[in-house]
Amino acid sequence: DIVMTQSPDSLAVSLGERATINCKSSQTILDSSNNKNSLAWYQQKPGQPPNLLIFWASTRESGVPDRFSGSGSGTDFTLTISRLQAEDVAVYYCQQYYTTPRTFGQGTKLEIK
Amino acid sequence: QVQLVESGGGVVQPGKSLRLSCAASGFTFSGYGMHWVRQAPGRGLEWVALMSYDGNYKYYSDSVKGRFTISRDNSKNTLYLQVDSLRTEDTAVYYCAKDKSRGYNYGPNDYWGQGTLVIVSS
Repeated sequence: DIVMTQSPDSLAVSLGERATINCKSSQTILDSSNNKNSLAWYQQKPGQPPNLLIFWASTRESGVPDRFSGSGSGTDFTLTISRLQAEDVAVYYCQQYYTTPRTFGQGTKLEIK
Repeated sequence: QVQLVESGGGVVQPGKSLRLSCAASGFTFSGYGMHWVRQAPGRGLEWVALMSYDGNYKYYSDSVKGRFTISRDNSKNTLYLQVDSLRTEDTAVYYCAKDKSRGYNYGPNDYWGQGTLVIVSS
């Protein structure tokens, strides 16, 4: 199975500042059919299901604010929230959809400092 | 708009069974792969199973293989998860989730239900 490892486990950032969450896959997740990495980012707020933010490592889902961006290649990926807002407090998960079993990172809890 | 509504959860003793359902609306259900993902209380997300759009292919996590069965009825726009031989570690909220890609292409999960809680306890 592909292991997804996120860092840090928790993060406190001031409002208006940048938040950066990392995700590392144990092997390549590059889809050779389109040369894109099969990596998604989800946001989960308390009591709610996950919400898709980013797919193909850097493509923003429709309706997601542009302060959210994804980057990375190979086995290292990053989710960046450029100007943290109060409503961004949540747990963030990366997921590889390159193969089954689909696997998620352990989650990163983002709080306001 | 896309809606996924799970049902069938509850409190059940170890070794017993349940059938979870997910009623889908707002999209062409028969065109997309569908997933079950679970989340134990206070824990992270764990992918459970995937069924292809036409029901011809099924994939499972090792932790549920042989005990859980995913199925779908495209005439009823409904996804199912038969959960047998339940263990205490199966206690979780079970979400159904739509695949973003059509046909046999599989992508991330763009829509999720609110989940149904399964508690396995004696």
